[in-house]
Amino acid sequence: GQNIDQPTEMTATEGAIVQINCTYQTSGFNGLFWYQQHAGEAPTFLSYNVLDGLEEKGRFSSFLSRSKGYSYLLLKELQMKDSASYLCAAFSGGYNKLIFGAGTRLAVHP
Amino acid sequence: DAEITQSPRHKITETGRQVTLACHQTWNHNNMFWYRQDLGHGLRLIHYSYGVHDTNKGEVSDGYSVSRSNTEDLPLTLESAASSQTSVYFCASSPRTGGYEQYFGPGTRLTVT
Repeated sequence: GQNIDQPTEMTATEGAIVQINCTYQTSGFNGLFWYQQHAGEAPTFLSYNVLDGLEEKGRFSSFLSRSKGYSYLLLKELQMKDSASYLCAAFSGGYNKLIFGAGTRLAVHP
Repeated sequence: DAEITQSPRHKITETGRQVTLACHQTWNHNNMFWYRQDLGHGLRLIHYSYGVHDTNKGEVSDGYSVSRSNTEDLPLTLESAASSQTSVYFCASSPRTGGYEQYFGPGTRLTVT
């Protein structure tokens, strides 16, 4: 079957670090995407992990463990503008399409 | 600049009416997708296309249809709108088949009364 799990909501303080976890079960798994979506807007691409390990891109990093079916998105030096939903999506090579989780709504407080 | 657009951005319609949502991209991408987004469900795939005259059903395709007559456009039609189809609809495109980033349009908020 296809299943993506991530927490529904998280809160954090401006300047802090937050980790958003994602677990997946996907047939023919080929990679893991993270998207950011501000309220009322379209999702925008953040990262794509194919191999195990950490990929760093500025204040954002993404980690993948294929053996554990696990990924996380790490946001450092949080800013108010980071308040958004973060969508985890597994790419299924078998079905040749993205399977999205329900998203994690992050609220950053001063 | 290349882009992906959707129209209309907001639509209110009555139960039973036929509705068509437009999606147009200028990247010349082969792959185009339609998703709906509802609270608690995330993005769910409705239909997708890998090229002109190619269409495929996604996980929630009942009550929806698409056609692909050119590279740029993938219109989504609701044959007979139902209240359960009230949602936000996103169109997306990607350059090739495989694990490539999808670029999303701004979305259409559809209300069926």
